[in-house]
Amino acid sequence: DAMVIQNPRYQVTQFGKPVTLSCSQTLNHNVMYWYQQKSSQAPKLLFHYYDKDFNNEADTPDNFQSRRPNTSFCFLDIRSPGLGDAAMYLCATSSRAQGGDTQYFGPGTRLTVL
Amino acid sequence: GQNIDQPTEMTATEGAIVQINCTYQTSGFNGLFWYQQHAGEAPTFLSYNVLDGLEEKGRFSSFLSRSKGYSYLLLKELQMKDSASYLCAVSPRGSYIPTFGRGTSLIVHP
Repeated sequence: DAMVIQNPRYQVTQFGKPVTLSCSQTLNHNVMYWYQQKSSQAPKLLFHYYDKDFNNEADTPDNFQSRRPNTSFCFLDIRSPGLGDAAMYLCATSSRAQGGDTQYFGPGTRLTVL
Repeated sequence: GQNIDQPTEMTATEGAIVQINCTYQTSGFNGLFWYQQHAGEAPTFLSYNVLDGLEEKGRFSSFLSRSKGYSYLLLKELQMKDSASYLCAVSPRGSYIPTFGRGTSLIVHP
């Protein structure tokens, strides 16, 4: 019954080695978000897609990129992970078509950078 | 922008009642969310208040005062499993993207 799925749940990478995190949803929501969350901090929005339109937050480093090949899937690419990028990465969806702002989160991917 | 403030940590006893406050400052406002987040897991939706007043959902209730920029989440008959972080998030007017507070870590002890 999982509605927002993230893979992998745990990812270990080496400093500077590219990594891709994936998110899929069965809700048919038109908005998908990527958040970074560090311990005891609020989720920080990196970027989001409204349908096919990509919206980058002004303070998101260029090291972070995203792709949304279709409604169901969205990817987060970290081109050269640094030690400071170790965090929980949360994918979320919402449906503007239904007039709601409620976000539905996936279980997250915990990224470790060695 | 939005400025959201909530206590960092609270402790309470199993079976008791606890109130988690959230204050916010925003130039425009649609509504306010509360999410629950267990350690190492994703946030899950608890409530969304648009109008002033108290909304009750089982053991959890959420209150909003728009004029005071204030909300609280009330948890009754606390259980150990309620130990989690509780995130307050404001939905600003003209945007569909909520802004999250840092969360309140609630520790329920026997």
